[in-house]
Amino acid sequence: RKEVEQDPGPFNVPEGATVAFNCTYSNSASQSFFWYRQDCRKEPKLLMSVYSSGNEDGRFTAQLNRASQYISLLIRDSKLSDSATYLCAASLMEYGNKLVFGAGTILRVKS
Amino acid sequence: EPEVTQTPSHQVTQMGQEVILRCVPISNHLYFYWYRQILGQKVEFLVSFYNNEISEKSEIFDDQFSVERPDGSNFTLKIRSTKLEDSAMYFCASGTSGTNEQFFGPGTRLTVL
Repeated sequence: RKEVEQDPGPFNVPEGATVAFNCTYSNSASQSFFWYRQDCRKEPKLLMSVYSSGNEDGRFTAQLNRASQYISLLIRDSKLSDSATYLCAASLMEYGNKLVFGAGTILRVKS
Repeated sequence: EPEVTQTPSHQVTQMGQEVILRCVPISNHLYFYWYRQILGQKVEFLVSFYNNEISEKSEIFDDQFSVERPDGSNFTLKIRSTKLEDSAMYFCASGTSGTNEQFFGPGTRLTVL
């Protein structure tokens, strides 16, 4: 079983739509979780950390469900500029530890 | 805003040659990482470095690979004898204590011919 799994998509949505991605992780000892955004042939850019209580940053909301071992990302009011690949990542420690990435979910926002 | 920088942006080399990829992490960061991404595949961890030594390495990081922090700012990845399968994007990342947020450089695209 893959350590971090994501639905590869692509998710094709119209501008203004709400879209949600899920990501599951296999190691129950994982401590920290992140969403990254990656544009074509560019580096992963940190979008947000994911906290147990859930967190929101503008149009983006991240949730963690430890019991079911998944994290989610909700994007509201999608913009054309949100088109990218969204990577989830998990780590066994709270700092100083490798990130294990999923393969990414492709989002295409169309006008 | 401080950022991780990497040079060169693209390196083309012949199989069997040595390459050195360079990174300048964010200045107050303590943890340094190399990841790679083969085209069309996921980002994979290679090695982490803390307090002037390797803290963890993956099975990809065999004897052909080495890392160094030769001075207070640079962090390098050396591949001693490149293989065709080493062709990938190599990302350097750095992070600070108290959080595992890692910030990635723009990458070096390595092409082995």
